[in-house]
Amino acid sequence: DAGVTQSPTHLIKTRGQQVTLRCSPKSGHDTVSWYQQALGQGPQFIFQYYEEEERQRGNFPDRFSGHQFPNYSSELNVNALLLGDSALYLCASSLGSLQETQYFGPGTRLLVL
Amino acid sequence: GESVGLHLPTLSVQEGDNSIINCAYSNSASDYFIWYKQESGKGPQFIIDIRSNMDKRQGQRVTVLLNKTVKHLSLQIAATQPGDSAVYFCAEGRNQGGKLIFGQGTELSVKP
Repeated sequence: DAGVTQSPTHLIKTRGQQVTLRCSPKSGHDTVSWYQQALGQGPQFIFQYYEEEERQRGNFPDRFSGHQFPNYSSELNVNALLLGDSALYLCASSLGSLQETQYFGPGTRLLVL
Repeated sequence: GESVGLHLPTLSVQEGDNSIINCAYSNSASDYFIWYKQESGKGPQFIIDIRSNMDKRQGQRVTVLLNKTVKHLSLQIAATQPGDSAVYFCAEGRNQGGKLIFGQGTELSVKP
C-alpha cells in the first residue's frame, strides 16, 4: 500500500522564479492538503483540494496556487519566489469525508536564494 | 486568534522512563486534536488523535489526555525508547480531514 509521495525531494530556486511541487496521495485517498513548514516551526496550512477544487485555504497570498488532477494527485505552484518561501513543503492526504485522518508525505525542501 | 502552543520546547528523558509532552490550545471551537511525530528529514507521522467528546484515548504505549476546561492536551509515552526521539507536534482542527493548526513542537531526546 503506497503512502503519500512527493517530488522533488529537494529544490533550489532564485528569487522571482516560479516553482511547481507534486504530490501523489496515499492509495484510496481523494483529498490533498498542502502545508508549509519553516525551520523550527510547526506546519502551516496552505490549502486543501477535493474533487479537483480548492475546498479550504489558509492565510497565504495568491502567489500560492494549486491544482488537483482526476487521479487525485496534486500540484502546488508558487510564483515570484521570495527568500521567505524557503521551507519544507508537506503534502497530506485523506478521504474526502473530513472524518478521516491526514497522512503526510516526506516533503519537498525548497531553498530560495 | 488561532494558536496551539507547547509548554516545553525540549524534553530529555532516560530510556525506559515515561514521557509527558504538553500542549495548550486557544480555539474553543476546535473539536479534534492530533499528535504527530516528526523525525529528522521526514514528514509528520500520525501517533494518536482524540475528539472533543472524549478526555482520554489510549494507543500502543501512548495515551492522549484532553482537558477542555483549561484547553490543555498531553501525550504520554510509556517506557520511552531511543526510537521515540523526535519532534512531537500537537495540532487542532474542526474535523480530522480539514485544516489543522499546529504548535511549534517539542523535541524529545531519549538517553540510553
